[in-house]
Amino acid sequence: AQSVTQLGSHVSVSEGALVLLRCNYSSSVPPYLFWYVQYPNQGLQLLLKYTSAATLVKGINGFEAEFKKSETSFHLTKPSAHMSDAAEYFCAVSDVTSGSRLTFGEGTQLTVNP
Amino acid sequence: NAGVMQNPRHLVRRRGQEARLRCSPMKGHSHVYWYRQLPEEGLKFMVYLQKENIIDESGMPKERFSAEFPKEGPSILRIQQVVRGDSAAYFCASSPPGTGAVGYGYTFGSGTRLTVV
Repeated sequence: AQSVTQLGSHVSVSEGALVLLRCNYSSSVPPYLFWYVQYPNQGLQLLLKYTSAATLVKGINGFEAEFKKSETSFHLTKPSAHMSDAAEYFCAVSDVTSGSRLTFGEGTQLTVNP
Repeated sequence: NAGVMQNPRHLVRRRGQEARLRCSPMKGHSHVYWYRQLPEEGLKFMVYLQKENIIDESGMPKERFSAEFPKEGPSILRIQQVVRGDSAAYFCASSPPGTGAVGYGYTFGSGTRLTVV
């Protein structure tokens, strides 16, 4: 069975600072990994995904994530936070045993301070 | 090019009533997925449907919940005899034909927020 752990339910950064949101996964077979963003009272928007191609994945809004198999991690980063990045971020995993079904982490609420 | 449309956005039901949540996938999409988000939690998979077929309902509660995706019209998630614990945000997602396989990051709607009073 798969699982996703997002370390830190709340992360607070200053505007212009580095954003680092942590995600560790568990999967018995090669995973497919996703980051989604959710703004208040809205649905989830796909930021980026890893599907066994390049380990460094670039997404929308300046975000990127690096797949590290040895660490079973897929952390999300952005060099410089913007006020508009304040939202909740979800890491998700799927694999060939789960098909199109995604397993989500609990989410990380990102606050950006002026 | 409308995205995944869900309605209503907000739904209030009294305990024991039925709740019907509708999802219209993106144009050309034939796969629909329903997820539930309880307060302070991540999304949990409920069911995966294609037109007129339930493909995977491993996340659906055994009682009171049902889903359909008819040949014509939106997908419907039905909750009978609602209880307070059903209060949650219900999200629908869709993907094009041939993408019901692993690795496709599908598109979510804005959700229906169900409140049971």
